[in-house]
Amino acid sequence: QQPVQSPQAVILREGEDAVINCSSSKALYSVHWYRQKHGEAPVFLMILLKGGEQKGHDKISASFNEKKQQSSLYLTASQLSYSGTYFCGTGKREYSGGGADGLTFGKGTHLIIQP
Amino acid sequence: EAQVTQNPRYLITVTGKKLTVTCSQNMNHEYMSWYRQDPGLGLRQIYYSMNVEVTDKGDVPEGYKVSRKEKRNFPLILESPSPNQTSLYFCASSSTGALSSGANVLTFGAGSRLTVL
Repeated sequence: QQPVQSPQAVILREGEDAVINCSSSKALYSVHWYRQKHGEAPVFLMILLKGGEQKGHDKISASFNEKKQQSSLYLTASQLSYSGTYFCGTGKREYSGGGADGLTFGKGTHLIIQP
Repeated sequence: EAQVTQNPRYLITVTGKKLTVTCSQNMNHEYMSWYRQDPGLGLRQIYYSMNVEVTDKGDVPEGYKVSRKEKRNFPLILESPSPNQTSLYFCASSSTGALSSGANVLTFGAGSRLTVL
């Protein structure tokens, strides 16, 4: 079952912040985040394991709340290069500990950054 | 250069004509998988493989076959393509192991756009 991402789409001005949410009806063991630019392949952003950790990558960070079965991706002071579609992926099995096997992706969130 | 190579990149075929989309990676990755991407549906996993001769169904395996005879190759076979298999297909691979070693990060191929008439 695919995780649910929200919002489906968001349009921002350069410099504004954005939050993308990913929630699951099943227990979450790991959450993977990828970004896909138009006409290109998805590219890895980060992996979070259960434990409520928060990770950061430049001005992009994410949190993982296993009790709420959700993860959020935070884009701070967005840049034009942040435009694209963001996907969260959830690991199916506890043993995988962040493994990509059986990764189920959400439908994606389209992010458009305008100058 | 570390990469996942898919062929063909574009293909137009007709219903029922068997076709194979090849996928090869040069990173010695254990794990490989196939996804299809359709508008509004995101990336859906078709099949995956944890290692040579080990494959398993993903979320949408109907109408597809795979094999993993060599570690580097993971072809996707459509025995009798139908129009509902018109899609953008991605192959991806990753190493397995500890996250601290950089494992479990998917590297995607450039994609194969398939049209079935």
